[in-house]
Amino acid sequence: QLQESGSGLVKPSQTLSVTCAVSGGSISSGGYSWNWIRQAPGKGLEWIGYIYHSGDTFYSNPSLKSRVNISADRSKNQFSLQLTSVTAADTAIYYCARLTSRDAFDIWGPGTMVTVSS
Amino acid sequence: SSELAQDPAVSVALGQTVRITCQGDTLRSSYASWYQQRPGQAPMLLIYGRNSRPSGIPDRFSGSTSGNTASLTITGALAEDEADYYCNSRDGTTNVMLFGGGTKLTVL
Repeated sequence: QLQESGSGLVKPSQTLSVTCAVSGGSISSGGYSWNWIRQAPGKGLEWIGYIYHSGDTFYSNPSLKSRVNISADRSKNQFSLQLTSVTAADTAIYYCARLTSRDAFDIWGPGTMVTVSS
Repeated sequence: SSELAQDPAVSVALGQTVRITCQGDTLRSSYASWYQQRPGQAPMLLIYGRNSRPSGIPDRFSGSTSGNTASLTITGALAEDEADYYCNSRDGTTNVMLFGGGTKLTVL
């Protein structure tokens, strides 16, 4: 199971932080990557990036890449997303999801809503 | 840049068969996975690989690919199938995971 938590309201230009707690398995287990995906209100899904079980990270398109950091805390079996210099366009539900070796997001968290507003 | 294109909306009569499509160059070399999202819920994996279903997904959901088009077929649509459906695939050149824009399915 995956469960997101984070800053529900963030001011413009500040840093958004969300964490995904993983239960029922270890994020250090081989064969999986741990992903962040977001969905703006009324819009579709946008993949942000992942951290691999080895600790390697990979981020999405250039418009986000420069502002994104994904990290893991293996002692707590959780991984986190930080997004800097946020604007209203970053307002979204943020989901964490596990990606299998067959490129399937097989487990999702329920999502956490983050609103960027002054 | 690579992208996956889906029809924004599709409708089907109760009990009939519907096909939801996803077009993109990445599909020539990578399989699509399909997700169902009901209002207020997280997406749920329906189909991955050539045509595999996770445990618990009914066999009325199936997937196929031809050329640059992936399809999700629902055979005998139920009222509970009314939802948004998203395709996803890996861009083999950039390794970016792409999502289609989503298709809203209405069951009449």
